[in-house]
Formats: sequence, structure tokens, C-alpha cells
Amino acid sequence: GAGVSQSPSNKVTEKGKDVELRCDPISGHTALYWYRQRLGQGLEFLIYFQGNSAPDKSGLPSDRFSAERTGESVSTLTIQRTQQEDSAVYLCASSLESGYGYTFGSGTRLTVV
Amino acid sequence: GENVEQHPSTLSVQEGDSAVIKCTYSDSASNYFPWYKQELGKGPQLIIDIRSNVGEKKDQRIAVTLNKTAKHFSLHITETQPEDSAVYFCAASRSGTLTGGFKTIFGAGTRLFVKA
Repeated sequence: GAGVSQSPSNKVTEKGKDVELRCDPISGHTALYWYRQRLGQGLEFLIYFQGNSAPDKSGLPSDRFSAERTGESVSTLTIQRTQQEDSAVYLCASSLESGYGYTFGSGTRLTVV
Repeated sequence: GENVEQHPSTLSVQEGDSAVIKCTYSDSASNYFPWYKQELGKGPQLIIDIRSNVGEKKDQRIAVTLNKTAKHFSLHITETQPEDSAVYFCAASRSGTLTGGFKTIFGAGTRLFVKA
């Protein structure tokens, strides 16, 4: 597509429930990244995928967080047993293999109540 | 671990004045330094970038400078306009290399207010 598409744009969930966030990258972009942005704060790296290589999961905050991507297509970020501190905007970005310049989606605003 | 420090956290200027945002990075292997602008409710948007083999780059009212020895880089916006009001993020990465990954580390952001 023309840009990075994320869905849903907003998600309200009850504490303890699982949520799944989706990212559809720009066609042809082999690299895909997930970041978390808490209110008024910077971007916290979570995970990145590069083609068919093993993903870099070094930023995932706990084993409740996981992400998948099949080839160079859609990625899903799953948060299990959500907690209130998971409330944030989850941003997805994609880039060409070189990594020069990300294109971000508009994010998913997750609220855990 | 790697980190990027960004200052100031908030900057207020009068329309027409210049704005400068400064960043320092810790990973000496970083070779790519993008700047992003984030407007309310939107994802960050790349506005300018610089690679480690260049000391300065300019694009209309925006310029970036890089001092690799000191591990400093800065964003300069001249003739600021109200539509420049946003949060600006600096970042550092090792993009384009086969080792170290493509993970980009972001600064904490600078909220710029341009008063009309």
C-alpha cells in the first residue's frame, strides 16, 4: 500500500485479556519494526524483523509480548494477560533492507482498564 | 546499552526565530542519524537525515549537523512557523551494516511550540 497501515487505531481492553495488534507494511519493505510510546514519552524499541532472518526481540519487555511476521508481509504484535502499564501507543514502521529512514504508521492506542 | 540523549525537552520560540535541538549518542558504531517530526495523533514522520560521512546537510529551513568525534548532532530550524509546532525526535542507528542490526534508538523528544 501507499503507507504503513495499523489496526485497530484504538483498542480498549480489560486487564488480563489478550490483544492482537496488526501492521501492514509498505510493499517491498523488507524490514519491519515495533515501538511503544507511552503518553508524552519517547519511542521504546520492541522488536524488528528483517526479511526471513531471525527477529531481534531484545526490546520486548516481558514474555507476555510476542510478535510474528510471515515473510515480508503483515506483522502481528500480541500482548497476553494485559496490564495497565501496557497502556500506550504501539507504533509500527517499515523500511527498505538498508534501514535508511523508517515510515511509521499512525499507531494503535491501547488502553487497559 | 546504547542510548540517545536529547535536549531540551521543551522549546518555545517566537514565529520567525530559529530553533535548535541537540542530541548525543553513545554507540560509536552508529552511522545514520534521522530526525522525525510527530504531530498530535500521528506517527513520526522523517523530515531529514544525515549519514556519518557527512558533517552537515540542509533542506530549505531545516539543517542538521553532525560531530562524530564528540558524538553530537543537532537540528536547526530557521524562520520558524506555527506549523512547525510538534514533537521532534532524534535517532541513531547502524543502518546499512551487516552486523549490529538495524535497530534505531530514539531520543526522548523535544516538544516545540512556535508562538504566532
